[in-house]
Amino acid sequence: GAVVSQHPSWVICKSGTSVKIECRSLDFQATTMFWYRQFPKQSLMLMATSNEGSKATYEQGVEKDKFLINHASLTLSTLTVTSAHPEDSSFYICSVTAGGVETQYFGPGTRLLVL
Amino acid sequence: TQLLEQSPQFLSIQEGENLTVYCNSSSVFSSLQWYRQEPGEGPVLLVTVVTGGEVKKLKRLTFQFGDARKDSSLHITAAQPGDTGLYLCAGLRGNNRLAFGKGNQVVVIP
Repeated sequence: GAVVSQHPSWVICKSGTSVKIECRSLDFQATTMFWYRQFPKQSLMLMATSNEGSKATYEQGVEKDKFLINHASLTLSTLTVTSAHPEDSSFYICSVTAGGVETQYFGPGTRLLVL
Repeated sequence: TQLLEQSPQFLSIQEGENLTVYCNSSSVFSSLQWYRQEPGEGPVLLVTVVTGGEVKKLKRLTFQFGDARKDSSLHITAAQPGDTGLYLCAGLRGNNRLAFGKGNQVVVIP
C-alpha cells in the first residue's frame, strides 16, 4: 500500500493562531486526498475531499474559510486551521487515493491541542 | 446521524476465546471496508468486501458482508493480545468518500 506521512505529528498552539498540517504521499501520486477529524472515542468524520489542482469539496457543516485546504501537487495537501480555538482540538488524519481506486491509505495523524 | 452502527462498542475477552463484532446500516453500500486503528495512529485497512454474502479470511479474522450489502461482521478466532485495537467499518459513498462507524474497541487479556 501507499506510504503517507503527516507533519507535524502533534502541535500545541494558543487560541487565535493558525496551524498548518501537511499530508504527503511518499510513494505514489495521489489525485485525491481526504481530511478527517476524530474526537476522543469518536469515529473519523470526513471534513473535505482535496483534489489536486482544484478547490476542495467540503462536507456539510465544515467551514471552508476556517479549514483551508491546498492540494498544489500530486504528493502534498495541506490543511490550515485558521484562528484555532480549543474546540478545534482534535486528531486530524489524512488519506490518499489514486483516481478511480477505492482503497484509501491513511496517514499517522496529527494531534492538535489549542490552549 | 450515524450511517453505520457498530456493536458492541467495547468488548473484553480472554486470550484464546472467539469474538464477533458487527457493523450495521440501513443504507446499501457498494463496498464496505474494515480497518484497525491503534491509539494515536491512523487506521490500517484490513479488508474490503464488495459482493453481498462475500466472506473473506485474513488469518484468524473472518469478514462477512451481508446479502443485502447493508451489514457486515468480523469474527476473530482464538484471539491474541495483538488483536487488541479499535476496529472500524466504513462504507463507500459517492466520490470515493468513506462513512465510518464509531468502532468496536476490542481488548484481549493475556
